[in-house]
Parts: sequence; C-alpha cells; structure tokens
Amino acid sequence: AQSVTQPDIHITVSEGASLELRCNYSYGATPYLFWYVQSPGQGLQLLLKYFSGDTLVQGIKGFEAEFKRSQSSFNLRKPSVHWSDAAEYFCAVGHPGNEKLTFGTGTRLTIIP
Amino acid sequence: GAVVSQHPSRVICKSGTSVKIECRSLDFQATTMFWYRQFPKQSLMLMATSNEGSKATYEQGVEKDKFLINHASLTLSTLTVTSAHPEDSSFYICSVGENTGELFFGEGSRLTVL
Repeated sequence: AQSVTQPDIHITVSEGASLELRCNYSYGATPYLFWYVQSPGQGLQLLLKYFSGDTLVQGIKGFEAEFKRSQSSFNLRKPSVHWSDAAEYFCAVGHPGNEKLTFGTGTRLTIIP
Repeated sequence: GAVVSQHPSRVICKSGTSVKIECRSLDFQATTMFWYRQFPKQSLMLMATSNEGSKATYEQGVEKDKFLINHASLTLSTLTVTSAHPEDSSFYICSVGENTGELFFGEGSRLTVL
C-alpha cells in the first residue's frame, strides 16, 4: 500500500527566508506526486505535481519540488517566503490509472516578521 | 482544471438529525467524485468514491449506512450524514478528477453536530 510521510508537523520561518518542506513516500513503482496548500477553513489548492520527466517541477506562487527516486522524496522548496504563504501544506501520492490520492499528515507553516 | 463547489460551507445541526452536503462540478462532467474527511489539524482521509449512476465505493471502516452518497448526475454528488452525532463533526471535502491523475477540490463543508 502506498503511504506518505511528512516528518515536520510545524515549521516556523522568517519572512524572506528560504523554505523546504519534506515529504517521503512509499510506493512500488514511480508514483504521481502532488503538493497541495490549504488555508484555514478552505479547500485544497494544487501547488505542483510530478508525473514523469524532469524531476524538478515548478509550481505556482514560486514553489518548486524535486523528485528523488533514490531517496523516495519529493521535497517542496521556495527561495523566499511571504507572509501569505502561511498555511497547511500536504504532500500526496497517487498512481497512474487511479485518481485516489493518499495524503501525508501535513506541515503547518508559520511565517514570522 | 475542474471547478468544484460545495454547499453548504458550514452547517450546525442537532444530534440525531441528518445533513446533506452537495458537491458540484461546475465545468466538467464527472463520472467519479471523491469524498474526504478531515479532522481538526489532521490529514485528509478518503471516505468513498462516488460513481455516477451506480453505488458508491466505500473505504474500509466507513459506514455506508451512515454516510449516504448519491451521484445522480455528472455534475452533482451528495453526501448525507444520517443520524448525526458529535463525533461526526468534521470538515468534509469533495474532489473531482479529470482522468489526468490530478484532483480538484471543493472549498469544503464544516459540519458541527451539537
């Protein structure tokens, strides 16, 4: 069965600093990988996705993520965070032919001035 | 991507009553929709897959008689929480896929059972 681990429950970053959110997955083949962001009381917005090809993917709002097969990781990065980036971030894994996604437990991002 | 809308966004009900939540795919004809549940400060757990014109497929541990799902058209799926109790209080989110592997989510519906 597929699973997703987000080791960091809560991360606090200063505005303007760089950010990296960790995500590790367990899956037998090459998965589909996603990062979603959720603001309080809201649904989920897709930041970026990896299906195949270039392992460094660019997303919206200046985010990027890198798929590393050897490490079973798909970490999310942003070079300079903004106060509006404060939210909950979820990594998710799916697989071809099936739209069911398995989500990680999420990482809450707090931005301090 | 698909635009998904849920209604109501918030609902408060008394214990023992039933509550219906609607999920609409506004610009895509969805044969399949997914219902997720999210407890406070926790992740999303898939409850069931809603299939247009046929029975929903429930995940293990989800009571199908408790959470009734109806997908009568390609643009509407409904989740009815029957005889709701306080432990059913949660954030319910639906999603639609466009057969690309990607899901698009509604805004969510927060249910509070008193």
